[in-house]
Amino acid sequence: DAGVIQSPRHEVTEMGQEVTLRCKPISGHDYLFWYRQTMMRGLELLIYFNNNVPIDDSGMPEDRFSAKMPNASFSTLKIQPSEPRDSAVYFCASSLGGAALDGYTFGSGTRLTVV
Amino acid sequence: SQQGEEDPQALSIQEGENATMNCSYKTSINNLQWYRQNSGRGLVHLILIRSNEREKHSGRLRVTLDTSKKSSSLLITASRAADTASYFCATSNFGNEKLTFGTGTRLTIIP
Repeated sequence: DAGVIQSPRHEVTEMGQEVTLRCKPISGHDYLFWYRQTMMRGLELLIYFNNNVPIDDSGMPEDRFSAKMPNASFSTLKIQPSEPRDSAVYFCASSLGGAALDGYTFGSGTRLTVV
Repeated sequence: SQQGEEDPQALSIQEGENATMNCSYKTSINNLQWYRQNSGRGLVHLILIRSNEREKHSGRLRVTLDTSKKSSSLLITASRAADTASYFCATSNFGNEKLTFGTGTRLTIIP
């Protein structure tokens, strides 16, 4: 398995533009997580899915953020409109049994810069 | 919000020495996990220790858990230059499937 695949690796966009981050989890993993990492706030959980259904989106900072998982092999995180404070590294992770049973497998992340 | 706090924030040791990192957390946990993050990369799962376990080994890694003190430690023995990375603890609480990560320890191994 190629692991968790995220795209793009780097994204530079202007304030106000829409940004879409993509993630392909490991086949057979039932859980998918989106995290954001910044120097100031560390790793923050944004949202997670179980069997393609959003379970907890309490970490999504604002209505500008939305996430979807239309099928078991694909998820998107969208920011519209983007702002400079959204600049961060966004990680997608997947897990077979969730945190209660397993560790997570992380993707390489998308480094987002909003100018 | 951060559940775990790692200590120290940064650690530099000579290659071959042992490295010890500590993690403290606030609420009751189901399990505690340790991850490594190399610069510019994603996190890699190292080890999971359940709340009813006190010690666990994996290769050169040794993890201890003291639930009465709400703390854990990660020991890396015979360190190598390749161990240079940031190390994070993460906790899983009963009733949900998400991990809450600590602030991390940046470990530098000096060749």
